[in-house]
Amino acid sequence: DADVTQTPRNRITKTGKRIMLECSQTKGHDRMYWYRQDPGLGLRLIYYSFDVKDINKGEISDGYSVSRQAQAKFSLSLESAIPNQTALYFCATSEAPGGPASLGELFFGEGSRLTVL
Amino acid sequence: AQSVTQLGSHVSVSEGALVLLRCNYSSSVPPYLFWYVQYPNQGLQLLLKYTSAATLVKGINGFEAEFKKSETSFHLTKPSAHMSDAAEYFCAVSEKAAGNKLTFGGGTRVLVKP
Repeated sequence: DADVTQTPRNRITKTGKRIMLECSQTKGHDRMYWYRQDPGLGLRLIYYSFDVKDINKGEISDGYSVSRQAQAKFSLSLESAIPNQTALYFCATSEAPGGPASLGELFFGEGSRLTVL
Repeated sequence: AQSVTQLGSHVSVSEGALVLLRCNYSSSVPPYLFWYVQYPNQGLQLLLKYTSAATLVKGINGFEAEFKKSETSFHLTKPSAHMSDAAEYFCAVSEKAAGNKLTFGGGTRVLVKP
């Protein structure tokens, strides 16, 4: 089983619909992230959470919200989806500073491809 | 603020030829640098990382990268391309001051010709 699991893997929806992407991890990491991948733009950070009570906006948080339900779960919501939110979304985890792999190395899920019509 | 520039969004190489992917970074402090690879329909996986221990870093699948502070570069190379190297490659930088969050370059897609 994958260490970082995203659901759904593919989703097609319509403009204005509410969408939730879910992420769960078995790596025991405190830090979790949501990234968006668009061709030519690499990965851009949407939101990140350093622990269950900590939520922070990334560089492109407008139109998105998140919930950290537990150390192992971090969900991303689009309250009212729009076509320019069509993208590949990745959840990732990392260790907190001080751990042996705490230099920022990320562990990724396999991605959730979202299409907004 | 940290940033990463990857020169060339697409690179085409012949099987057996040298693979060279360029990455330049901007950082106000000594950075940590990473190369990730993304195979089709998969997430990203770590190829190698620079954490100040050695300037020449060896990674998986025969890839290596050299940190050059004077040039603010971290180019990725592989002496002999294999068909299985066809993928997208991302350079990334993190800074302790930024909470070790990663900033990614735009990616370079590698096509390997037989």
